[in-house]
Order: sequence, then structure tokens, then C-alpha cells
Amino acid sequence: GENVEQHPSTLSVQEGDSAVIKCTYSDSASNYFPWYKQELGKRPQLIIDIRSNVGEKKDQRIAVTLNKTAKHFSLHITETQPEDSAVYFCAPPPLMNYGGSQGNLIFGKGTKLSVKP
Amino acid sequence: DAGVTQSPTHLIKTRGQQVTLRCSPKSGHDTVSWYQQALGQGPQFIFQYYEEEERQRGNFPDRFSGHQFPNYSSELNVNALLLGDSALYLCASKTSTLSREKLFFGSGTQLSVL
Repeated sequence: GENVEQHPSTLSVQEGDSAVIKCTYSDSASNYFPWYKQELGKRPQLIIDIRSNVGEKKDQRIAVTLNKTAKHFSLHITETQPEDSAVYFCAPPPLMNYGGSQGNLIFGKGTKLSVKP
Repeated sequence: DAGVTQSPTHLIKTRGQQVTLRCSPKSGHDTVSWYQQALGQGPQFIFQYYEEEERQRGNFPDRFSGHQFPNYSSELNVNALLLGDSALYLCASKTSTLSREKLFFGSGTQLSVL
């Protein structure tokens, strides 16, 4: 099955700095790479995702980059703000197809990002 | 457009009891998954329902069972509760067609087993 690891487990940055979180995975057949953000006491929310045919995707201050050869993908947050403080999870799904619905997401253990004003 | 809704939001049970959690998927979604999130951990996949059948299952014992109804809503049942079952239980829905990997989560049910 898919083995997912995130680094670092905690990250503290000053407001305005950049933050990078890395996720490694084991299933070379994985082809979908999402990042979820979970604020304290709230639901996980998808913030950005990328497919294996693309190396990088940007959405305003956040971006995801993919290195399929090395089997890792990273979340980049620029110009961090206090509201970016949350736990971030990568969640690549194993490649399982059943009844037209792809396999479920395997979540990493999360990275707690703290942005200090 | 309502998102994924779960009930109840909080629940307290004692060891050995049984519990039922409920989930209504986002409009247009036909696939429901359940996740268990222990404090300080990432969500762990329990199982997925599609077309009223359990399609995939994670590493959870048979005490965890579920159901999906014709309107795509779902229930998670846990029998013979253990202290270790205390966690946030998240329901997530998605469509089996376009953008089928994108999971949308409910706010969860916080289960405490005493």
C-alpha cells in the first residue's frame, strides 16, 4: 500500500516569509497529489492539487510542485499570513480503481504551520 | 448548495456501547467515505460506499460497519466501543465522474468513549 511521509512535522515562520512542506510517497503509480489544510477544530479543506502530467501548479500565494522520479511533491506558501496557521496534510491516493471511483486518499501525519505576526 | 453535513456534532458513550453516525453528501456527489482522526494525527481511511455497497476498506475491525442509502447518505456504526475509538469521525464525499478524486469533508462527529 501507499506509504506517505511529510516533513517537517512542525514549521514556524515569520509573517511574510515563505514556507515549504515536502511529502514523499511510495506508490509510483500515484497520479493525483492533493494538499489539505485543517484549521484547529475545523474540517480538512482541499487547497491545491496537481496531476502527474503537470510539474507545477500555482494559485495565488500557494503552489505545488511534483517530482515523480523522486516520488515527492511539495507545498509552497509565499508571503505567509497569520491565517495560514494550520495543519497541512498531503494525501496521495493509491492507484485503485473500483466501480468507476478511484482509490481513497492516504493522509500524511500533517505539518503544523505557525505564522508569527 | 449544502456541503457535507454530519450529525451529531458531539457524542459521549461508554465502553461496550454502540454508536451510529450520519452523513449527507454534498449535492451531486454519489460516493461517501469515512475517516477516523485521532488527536494530533491525520485522517485514517475506514471505508468507502458507492452504489450502496462497501467498495474499499481500510485497516479497521469488523466492529466498524456502514451503510449507504439510495439518496447517497450514509451511516457509520461502531459496535462494542473501546476507549481507543475516541476520535473525530469525518465523512467525505465525492463524485464518481468528473474530478472524482476531490474529497469534500464534513465538520465531523467528535466521539468520546468513557
